Amino acid sequence: DVKVTQSSRYLVKRTGEKVFLECVQDMDHENMFWYRQDPGLGLRLIYFSYDVKMKEKGDIPEGYSVSREKKERFSLILESASTNQTSMYLCASSPRQGANNQPQHFGDGTRLSIL
Amino acid sequence: AQKITQTQPGMFVQEKEAVTLDCTYDTSDPSYGLFWYKQPSSGEMIFLIYQGSYDQQNATEGRYSLNFQKARKSANLVISASQLGDSAMYFCAMREGDTDKLIFGTGTRLQVFP
Repeated sequence: DVKVTQSSRYLVKRTGEKVFLECVQDMDHENMFWYRQDPGLGLRLIYFSYDVKMKEKGDIPEGYSVSREKKERFSLILESASTNQTSMYLCASSPRQGANNQPQHFGDGTRLSIL
Repeated sequence: AQKITQTQPGMFVQEKEAVTLDCTYDTSDPSYGLFWYKQPSSGEMIFLIYQGSYDQQNATEGRYSLNFQKARKSANLVISASQLGDSAMYFCAMREGDTDKLIFGTGTRLQVFP
């Protein structure tokens, strides 16, 4: 079974801090994704990576950056955390397109609170 | 315009009854895929079922089936014989063309009561 592991289930940080959310997958997937989930808004894509050192902005990249130095690891960085970044963050991975019915596999999520 | 629309913020169903969760989508690409995920209160997203735009048959996975009506652009999830453990958020999502990205709906919270 695919395993996507997020480093923290709950995290509390202060405004202005630099925050790192880590995600590791063990299935050699090319694609990795970071989403944020807010009530009534569903999941919104922040960033997407389709290969090591390759990234693509999603729908809401402002205030975030990402790093993918190794295939199995995808980090989300809040450069200067703000209270409006309090949210649930979900990481996912999937094979590259070609296996059309392959779903994205998700981690357990990180509930981040910025005080 | 919304690409994926889930119009039911919340649904109630009695145990052992069937329930339908609605999902409509909007795309001009002839090649697309539709996914349903379940999110229990613990937070993890669990993949349930997939329907491809060229699939002739409606997808089924155990108690889950997808009522795919291409002309209406709807892909409703049907859960038969509901169980208390089915209480969760349910998300519909779409992949268009050759992208690997998914677009999610806003979700439906299902509550199953005894």
